[in-house]
Amino acid sequence: QQPVQSPQAVILREGEDAVINCSSSKALYSVHWYRQKHGEAPVFLMILLKGGEQKGHDKISASFNEKKQQSSLYLTASQLSYSGTYFCGTEMGASGTYKYIFGTGTRLKVLA
Amino acid sequence: DVKVTQSSRYLVKRTGEKVFLECVQDMDHENMFWYRQDPGLGLRLIYFSYDVKMKEKGDIPEGYSVSREKKERFSLILESASTNQTSMYLCATQAPSGQETQYFGPGTRLLVL
Repeated sequence: QQPVQSPQAVILREGEDAVINCSSSKALYSVHWYRQKHGEAPVFLMILLKGGEQKGHDKISASFNEKKQQSSLYLTASQLSYSGTYFCGTEMGASGTYKYIFGTGTRLKVLA
Repeated sequence: DVKVTQSSRYLVKRTGEKVFLECVQDMDHENMFWYRQDPGLGLRLIYFSYDVKMKEKGDIPEGYSVSREKKERFSLILESASTNQTSMYLCATQAPSGQETQYFGPGTRLLVL
């Protein structure tokens, strides 16, 4: 039931791009993306709602394909500060129910 | 700014002890959550609460209980700590809509010996 993120881990050089995917076996109503640095709590990045929308913040953007029940996070021209573990948080369930479940996580390391 | 605080950053307890982890928020959020985070397993939901005195089991409630006597405070209780409960515990709050982000506390790293 937990959304699966891929890849599980990725290592980049500064300036390179990365894509992190979050796939669910159940219908999704919204997707949130978080980044957690080592030893710190997760920090919210962005939220995507139904309607196939895309969002962006600086060089980090995301898309949400509700038909495919998946979301992707795009990191372009990565910076050292992007290192951390990325989680998708998903609101899922049948109509009238509510469940918020985090994905399995993707560890990202950016090297100088 | 939303502020979510947890009673301890690090805690060491012995097997069989009763452990209280407390979470306090200042945003007047109805929803509060307790997660544990373990390497390779991501964040797993233990319990959540959507109002004072209301609670629901998450995915891994066994060995835990919770208390929500006041809106701003959500406590996680380990009735009899065991070594497999050694973990990072994270509290989060959220405004009622599922489309609102969750705000996390700094976490409590619990070691059970």
